[in-house]
Amino acid sequence: ELKVEQNPLFLSMQEGKNYTIYCNYSTTSDRLYWYRQDPGKSLESLFVLLSNGAVKQEGRLMASLDTKARLSTLHITAAVHDLSATYFCAVHYGGATNKLIFGTGTLLAVQP
Amino acid sequence: ETGVTQSPTHLIKTRGQQVTLRCSSQSGHNTVSWYQQALGQGPQFIFQYYREEENGRGNFPPRFSGLQFPNYSSELNVNALELDDSALYLCASSLGPGGYTFGSGTRLTVV
Repeated sequence: ELKVEQNPLFLSMQEGKNYTIYCNYSTTSDRLYWYRQDPGKSLESLFVLLSNGAVKQEGRLMASLDTKARLSTLHITAAVHDLSATYFCAVHYGGATNKLIFGTGTLLAVQP
Repeated sequence: ETGVTQSPTHLIKTRGQQVTLRCSSQSGHNTVSWYQQALGQGPQFIFQYYREEENGRGNFPPRFSGLQFPNYSSELNVNALELDDSALYLCASSLGPGGYTFGSGTRLTVV
């Protein structure tokens, strides 16, 4: 059974600090996505990572992928309050079904 | 280029009733997936449609069914609603490998 685990589940940070969210998955995949979700809202696409060693950066967020370790990280640099949201990783599972398996999510609260 | 639109945005139904949720795909996208997101959890895959045929299904009972139309819009139907069906239902469209575009969702409350 394909499993995707994120940690931590909840992260309270002070503005200006750095932190990393981890996403582990159990089965080989060709794509991994990171999404942001604000309360009561839909999913906003942040990154798609396609290959081992892929690194993508947008503003204060940087995502990386290690397919051998089945691990992706989302690094937050010098956090600001506007980054407060829930962050999900999602692993693409191909085969006959072609679906996304989402992690449990990480609720990020950036305190002023 | 239009995004993915879902309707209605909010819905309240009584246990045992039936509900239909609608999704208009992003222009040119021929694949539609539906996800259920319970409060405080990650989205769970319900099923996917490709060119009007079901192309994969998650661990949901048969009372969850769907349709995809020639214009690639889609419906999710849920019969015999249960309290646990209360959730945010998300539709995502895609075209082959690459990104999924999610709609804004329908918040279903079953009372």
